[in-house]
Amino acid sequence: AQSVTQLDSHVSVSEGTPVLLRCNYSSSYSPSLFWYVQHPNKGLQLLLKYTSAATLVKGINGFEAEFKKSETSFHLTKPSAHMSDAAEYFCVVSPPSTPLVFGKGTRLSVIA
Amino acid sequence: EPEVTQTPSHQVTQMGQEVILRCVPISNHLYFYWYRQILGQKVEFLVSFYNNEISEKSEIFDDQFSVERPDGSNFTLKIRSTKLEDSAMYFCASRQGLAKTYEQYFGPGTRLTVT
Repeated sequence: AQSVTQLDSHVSVSEGTPVLLRCNYSSSYSPSLFWYVQHPNKGLQLLLKYTSAATLVKGINGFEAEFKKSETSFHLTKPSAHMSDAAEYFCVVSPPSTPLVFGKGTRLSVIA
Repeated sequence: EPEVTQTPSHQVTQMGQEVILRCVPISNHLYFYWYRQILGQKVEFLVSFYNNEISEKSEIFDDQFSVERPDGSNFTLKIRSTKLEDSAMYFCASRQGLAKTYEQYFGPGTRLTVT
């Protein structure tokens, strides 16, 4: 069975400081992994994806994530937070040809 | 950039009533999905649809739910007799193919409130 654990339900950072959103996964197969972002009253937007190519994945808006198989982790990072980054972030695992499995989400707050 | 659209953005209905949530997937996509997110909980898979039939469904997707692609562009989710616990945000998604390179594109969601 596949599952995703987002270790923090809420993360608060100051503008200009680094962001770290943690995600651990469990999968019987070689999964694809995604980070989606959801701004208030908006749909789910893909930030980045890992599909068994490079383990360090760069996404939009300066975000990146590193796939670490030994740690079963796919943490999302950004060197410097911006006010517009405040949103809900979802880590998602997708085994081959099956529906997405979402984590519970991490709400990111950015303080001016 | 093409996008998935959903209507209405918010639907309020009384318990026991039927509701139809509508989605227009991206035009060259072949795989369609419905997910839901109950307030404060994770996004959950409901059903996937390909070639005019359900390809997979979760245990949430019971006989009260049905999906349809009536006209080649719309993709609908019908709940026959709504219950209070159906109150949630419902997301439609579409995907061009099943290969790893193809991601799912999500619509903005329909917030369903059952009173």
